[in-house]
Amino acid sequence: ETGVTQTPRHLVMGMTNKKSLKCEQHLGHNAMYWYKQSAKKPLELMFVYNFKEQTENNSVPSRFSPECPNSSHLFLHLHTLQPEDSALYLCASSQVGGGTDTQYFGPGTRLTVL
Amino acid sequence: AQKVTQAQTEISVVEKEDVTLDCVYETRDTTYYLFWYKQPPSGELVFLIRRNSFDEQNEISGRYSWNFQKSTSSFNFTITASQVVDSAVYFCALSEDVGTGTASKLTFGTGTRLQVTL
Repeated sequence: ETGVTQTPRHLVMGMTNKKSLKCEQHLGHNAMYWYKQSAKKPLELMFVYNFKEQTENNSVPSRFSPECPNSSHLFLHLHTLQPEDSALYLCASSQVGGGTDTQYFGPGTRLTVL
Repeated sequence: AQKVTQAQTEISVVEKEDVTLDCVYETRDTTYYLFWYKQPPSGELVFLIRRNSFDEQNEISGRYSWNFQKSTSSFNFTITASQVVDSAVYFCALSEDVGTGTASKLTFGTGTRLQVTL
């Protein structure tokens, strides 16, 4: 595997289900991100992990719970979601250094909440 | 606050036409970085280019070229001789200078959907 991978690619869940999205980066990076992409809205940054520590929580509802066990893996645990949470969830990674870092994205998980 | 505006929601061109995607940004920072990403129907955002605010030299990569003008706060993207495979949503993004050891935060525009037909 190369780059950033995400599983599953598609997920349909009911509002009472619990599921998890997985992201893995094979680039040796030290920062990972979750984004939400809804139709006709800009990409929304949800969470940032830098060296496995959460450094950003962009006012995300508690029904989304991130987990970063190491710098290569990132999870997004989902529970009691709402239909408006249906979206494409994108994971990204970057190598933190000076100035800024370039983020590389995975293919996303398309989530549908019924 | 930072802001990126991509006023063109959708553009349709016929193959082999040239097309320019506009990007206008707002920032109070003197050091910042601009990006373009391509999102094909598969969903993955593909990194195309990154420029810093001190480098206004235009860049060309094959059929792609970028025109960065600080005077107008614009970072436009031109595809020459467009092809059907160029059909995608293109995003412009802006990042501040976060310093050493801090993960970047990108501010994205709403994207421009480019449709190239035969």
